[in-house]
Amino acid sequence: ETGVTQSPTHLIKTRGQQVTLRCSSQSGHNTVSWYQQALGQGPQFIFQYYREEENGRGNFPPRFSGLQFPNYSSELNVNALELDDSALYLCASSLDRRTEAFFGQGTRLTVV
Amino acid sequence: QQPVQSPQAVILREGEDAVINCSSSKALYSVHWYRQKHGEAPVFLMILLKGGEQKGHDKISASFNEKKQQSSLYLTASQLSYSGTYFCGLTSQGGSEKLVFGKGTKLTVNP
Repeated sequence: ETGVTQSPTHLIKTRGQQVTLRCSSQSGHNTVSWYQQALGQGPQFIFQYYREEENGRGNFPPRFSGLQFPNYSSELNVNALELDDSALYLCASSLDRRTEAFFGQGTRLTVV
Repeated sequence: QQPVQSPQAVILREGEDAVINCSSSKALYSVHWYRQKHGEAPVFLMILLKGGEQKGHDKISASFNEKKQQSSLYLTASQLSYSGTYFCGLTSQGGSEKLVFGKGTKLTVNP
């Protein structure tokens, strides 16, 4: 059991809307990474936050943005939703890149 | 750059062994292995660090060839519970902290 929790677990949005996904990291972990996983694919890195600062970003447009709070929980915001944004969104917390990352159960986002 | 995993899929009978390979064109700092069952989150299995440090499970082992930029995951005496999709994730030397995952290897263990 990892202790990483995500909310909500499922979400349906309409194209053009905005969405906020939330992640509570495991106790003691100051690093949170967000991933998008399409069906049948590996997780794709969106960005990482370390002590409230963005610490790396993948090939995602600026409408994907995030925050990390002083308690190290995190949010992923997606504006102007497109149909292709439909996917499982995973967050993972870790101490640093030398240690394992623990994933939450994910948020299944469907854009219609 | 996304690592390449092979094979894409493998079917075993319970008790058989399997090897899953992961290769990269970039110099690696660490290799992470995860298993994901359908509809669930990826679960950590193993991490291998540049310089030889290794963590893992009892019946699952792995190697990390820094010169060839390759890693292999070894599953011995497979059990039904080993079924799932295995992903390798890589961090690169001199890069950010991001973990880049391969497309996965689907392992099916039959009775």
